[in-house]
Amino acid sequence: GDSVTQTEGPVTLSEGTSLTVNCSYETKQYPTLFWYVQYPGEGPQLLFKVPKANEKGSNRGFEATYNKEATSFHLQKASVQESDSAVYYCALRANSGTYQRFGTGTKLQVVP
Amino acid sequence: GGIITQTPKFLIGQEGQKLTLKCQQNFNHDTMYWYRQDSGKGLRLIYYSITENDLQKGDLSEGYDASREKKSSFSLTVTSAQKNEMAVFLCASSKTQGYAEQFFGPGTRLTVL
Repeated sequence: GDSVTQTEGPVTLSEGTSLTVNCSYETKQYPTLFWYVQYPGEGPQLLFKVPKANEKGSNRGFEATYNKEATSFHLQKASVQESDSAVYYCALRANSGTYQRFGTGTKLQVVP
Repeated sequence: GGIITQTPKFLIGQEGQKLTLKCQQNFNHDTMYWYRQDSGKGLRLIYYSITENDLQKGDLSEGYDASREKKSSFSLTVTSAQKNEMAVFLCASSKTQGYAEQFFGPGTRLTVL
């Protein structure tokens, strides 16, 4: 079946440093890939989605490239801020699947 | 814009008790979802509903029932609460199933004594 594996957390970074959260996926279909962010006390919200292979998605300084050959969708940001502290979820929806499948989430804490 | 409301915010029950969680959305979305969120296990789908009166089982449906009484509301019932079920339950909706962005509510935190 479809699955998503992402970096185990928690991840602690200093403000101004770079972030990479790894996400790998398995599916026999052609997926749309998503990154969601969940701030404390809230539900997850979409950061961005990428429906096509070899395309990049971006929002709020975060970006990820849909790498079909490597089956990866790693989340990156060049310089994190304290306000980026949250849980990040990678998700996929295969084109014949019925719902999105989420990874286990990566908790990021950014310290001053 | 729209909003998803989940009630109650905190739910405390006794082991073996039947407990109901409610969700309302005013996006006029067709599809609604219930997820369970456990630390280190991410979001696991319990039930979803493509339209009013439709119900589909997710990966974690055993021990739960759901009801889509009307387009805007989706309830989840824990049929017999167990101590290992303490978690946050998230409701979500999307315009259509699958590709479309999912919008989430703030969650109901369940504690079983």
